[in-house]
Amino acid sequence: GDSVTQMEGPVTLSEEAFLTINCTYTATGYPSLFWYVQYPGEGLQLLLKATKADDKGSNKGFEATYRKETTSFHLEKGSVQVSDSAVYFCARRSGAGSYQLTFGKGTKLSVIP
Amino acid sequence: SAVISQKPSRDICQRGTSLTIQCQVDSQVTMMFWYRQQPGQSLTLIATANQGSEATYESGFVIDKFPISRPNLTFSTLTVSNMSPEDSSIYLCSVAEGYGYTFGSGTRLTVV
Repeated sequence: GDSVTQMEGPVTLSEEAFLTINCTYTATGYPSLFWYVQYPGEGLQLLLKATKADDKGSNKGFEATYRKETTSFHLEKGSVQVSDSAVYFCARRSGAGSYQLTFGKGTKLSVIP
Repeated sequence: SAVISQKPSRDICQRGTSLTIQCQVDSQVTMMFWYRQQPGQSLTLIATANQGSEATYESGFVIDKFPISRPNLTFSTLTVSNMSPEDSSIYLCSVAEGYGYTFGSGTRLTVV
């Protein structure tokens, strides 16, 4: 079945460091891919998305590129801030006819001053 | 995008009781979803709720434990019945919009 594999956390970085959170997905169908962020004590917020191969999603300095050849959708940010501390979830939605989202296990990011 | 109001935001309940969680959307949506997020875990889909039909439950979730109502295109409820400490989780509703999904802020449930 559909699955999403995320790098294990927690990840601790110093402010202004470069961030990469790896995400790979099963290649069945033509999925849409998402990154969600959950700040402490809050619900999920959509961070960015990509709906087809080679699309790049971007928001708040975060980027992720839909790589079909490597079935990956890695999240990157060039310079993290303390306010980026949160749990990040990679997710996929299967192709046409399916609305179900499959989530990765989440990666907790802590940014220290 | 749609705005979802989810209530209550948190609750502490006695084992054996039931809690009903409400989700109100500010626009009409066809598909609503209910998820559970156990402590330190990812989200697991409980069921899909479409207006005018029975909810569709995922493996491991049953209607007797998690009855769902969907009386119109802007509202849904999830009831957690006969609660035990294992039901302590965050419960979230979600709606599908185009290629994306919007989530409610979640209900943090603690069963004692």
